[in-house]
Amino acid sequence: EVQLVESGGGLVLPGGSLRLSCAASGFTFSSYAMSWVRQAPGMGLEWVSAISGSGGYTYYADSVKGRFTISRDNSKNTLYLQINSLRAEDTAVYYCAKGSEQWLAKTDYWGQGTLVTVSS
Amino acid sequence: DIQMTQSPSTLSASVGDRVTITCRASQSISRWLAWYQQKPGKAPKLLIYKASSLESGVPSRFSGSGSGTEFTLTISSLQPDDFATYYCQQYNNYPLTFGGGTKVEIK
Repeated sequence: EVQLVESGGGLVLPGGSLRLSCAASGFTFSSYAMSWVRQAPGMGLEWVSAISGSGGYTYYADSVKGRFTISRDNSKNTLYLQINSLRAEDTAVYYCAKGSEQWLAKTDYWGQGTLVTVSS
Repeated sequence: DIQMTQSPSTLSASVGDRVTITCRASQSISRWLAWYQQKPGKAPKLLIYKASSLESGVPSRFSGSGSGTEFTLTISSLQPDDFATYYCQQYNNYPLTFGGGTKVEIK
């Protein structure tokens, strides 16, 4: 059974930093692309970033480029999102999501999400 | 970036109704489109991929169609468990983009 468990969310001051983690199990982690998708309170889904199965390719939404860094440790079956220079508009539930192939593909499984709140 | 436009944004329907949701892409995405269902406080769930392929375990009352820039999600007979918000997503290229969502409410 595929399981994705996010952690690392919380309350952070504007301009602060946070590192989100996603522990994966139930599949061969290194064989699949992974993404982060966020959802602001009461709003729709916004794709944030993706990383290929090998970790060699990454892509970012324009809204986070230069502030967010996606990475993965295939030896630990863990996905990360380093978030810097946080803004109020980054407040959202952040979902870890599994792609169905090594790179560009549909998302077939989602974690339960971790809430990031940016506020003074 | 490819823009995805869903309509309607809200839909009121009764149990047993046939429901259709439309998703339009700003440029051709071939058939690289997925549909997701999300209930309040829960993660999205994959329903349809490659425009018309039903994900394993998803009831057959859900179906998808379309190609290029026009796509539809149809629920043939709405059930109580189907009241939720539905999103389309293109995965033709990065950045992946979602439609704005369609909330299906009880009439």
